[in-house]
Amino acid sequence: SAVISQKPSRDICQRGTSLTIQCQVDSQVTMMFWYRQQPGQSLTLIATANQGSEATYESGFVIDKFPISRPNLTFSTLTVSNMSPEDSSIYLCSGARPGQPRVEAFFGQGTRLTVV
Amino acid sequence: AQKVTQAQTEISVVEKEDVTLDCVYETRDTTYYLFWYKQPPSGELVFLIRRNSFDEQNEISGRYSWNFQKSTSSFNFTITASQVVDSAVYFCALSLNDYKLSFGAGTTVTVRA
Repeated sequence: SAVISQKPSRDICQRGTSLTIQCQVDSQVTMMFWYRQQPGQSLTLIATANQGSEATYESGFVIDKFPISRPNLTFSTLTVSNMSPEDSSIYLCSGARPGQPRVEAFFGQGTRLTVV
Repeated sequence: AQKVTQAQTEISVVEKEDVTLDCVYETRDTTYYLFWYKQPPSGELVFLIRRNSFDEQNEISGRYSWNFQKSTSSFNFTITASQVVDSAVYFCALSLNDYKLSFGAGTTVTVRA
């Protein structure tokens, strides 16, 4: 199994500010993803974090709002920019490794964000 | 596009009862992977099982068992002799070879003592 560490675990932020969430994975993982879970909802994929290049965003998510970096294989950040109360969610980092054996999509413990 | 349906929003049982969570999926791909995750109140997502589309063999792990039926596009999950610690939200998910997960809406299981 892969080890994924995410921080902060929670934060309360003022509207209009930005928060950067960090995700560190162990060397087994080559693919990294960011998901959002709004209160009482399921998880939705925000983007695939690509090493050394721009992230690939899913429909409904844009780089200006959720800039993502992945400077190396095992580290990625997600920034939630110009926050509003609607951004209050749990943000989760996930990692996987294609091939054999397939290392599955494990998740970090999540960042519980509250915007006031 | 892929779709995962968990029709049961909430299930409440008394301890030691069995509980079955339904999951129905849609995909046009012949190669896909199905998952179950547990999300306790603390919020982390705990991986429970993965099944690939070529392996319809059912699986049992302790009190957990999974029934995969391609004929009905279902991947159901049963907790036998439920315990209070099983109280959580359970998500069924599907991915293709791109490793992106499509989640169902989740089923909240409450086990009462």
